[in-house]
Amino acid sequence: EAQVTQNPRYLITVTGKKLTVTCSQNMNHEYMSWYRQDPGLGLRQIYYSMNVEVTDKGDVPEGYKVSRKEKRNFPLILESPSPNQTSLYFCASSPSPLTGFYGYTFGSGTRLTVV
Amino acid sequence: DAKTTQPNSMESNEEEPVHLPCNHSTISGTDYIHWYRQLPSQGPEYVIHGLTSNVNNRMASLAIAEDRKSSTLILHRATLRDAAVYYCTPTPSGTYKYIFGTGTRLKVLA
Repeated sequence: EAQVTQNPRYLITVTGKKLTVTCSQNMNHEYMSWYRQDPGLGLRQIYYSMNVEVTDKGDVPEGYKVSRKEKRNFPLILESPSPNQTSLYFCASSPSPLTGFYGYTFGSGTRLTVV
Repeated sequence: DAKTTQPNSMESNEEEPVHLPCNHSTISGTDYIHWYRQLPSQGPEYVIHGLTSNVNNRMASLAIAEDRKSSTLILHRATLRDAAVYYCTPTPSGTYKYIFGTGTRLKVLA
């Protein structure tokens, strides 16, 4: 089944403790992206990647890092999480937008709580 | 970036058509209009997109105003499964520079 898989689904952590949220897709998509969703603010893009080793900042990149060493994986790293990063996170993938539009496939989300 | 305005919520009866409006008066000439929906406890799901002409697919129809400052997503026969938050977002061609607002929460009554 074609899908975007995020892990973990739920995570509670303490301020300052480094964490990684994994994202993997099995559709050979070039484009991958991370969003956070907060009440009243909608979905906001954190980082995106057009292909392996090509990443760029979205609208709210502060406090996050990403890497794209393999086509299928796009982990989101919080080096020193803070309570304002408590949110619902979504990973998404798609074929390259430069070749046409196909629509995102989103993962099921990771609910992160930082205390 | 184009701004969008959507009603916070709408209700529909099951089996009836639903027209979900979106105002995007600051859209630029090359922006596509995309619609996504988010079912409860799930990630968003692509619904449809268009540039100038009306578009149809198996999920919905998209009607785009002649001046492109507004669009309407049409669900021809609403089902309980269509209860979701619906987002419209203009996006420059060749990018996924989406701006997801707070969308319209659609409630479908049995």
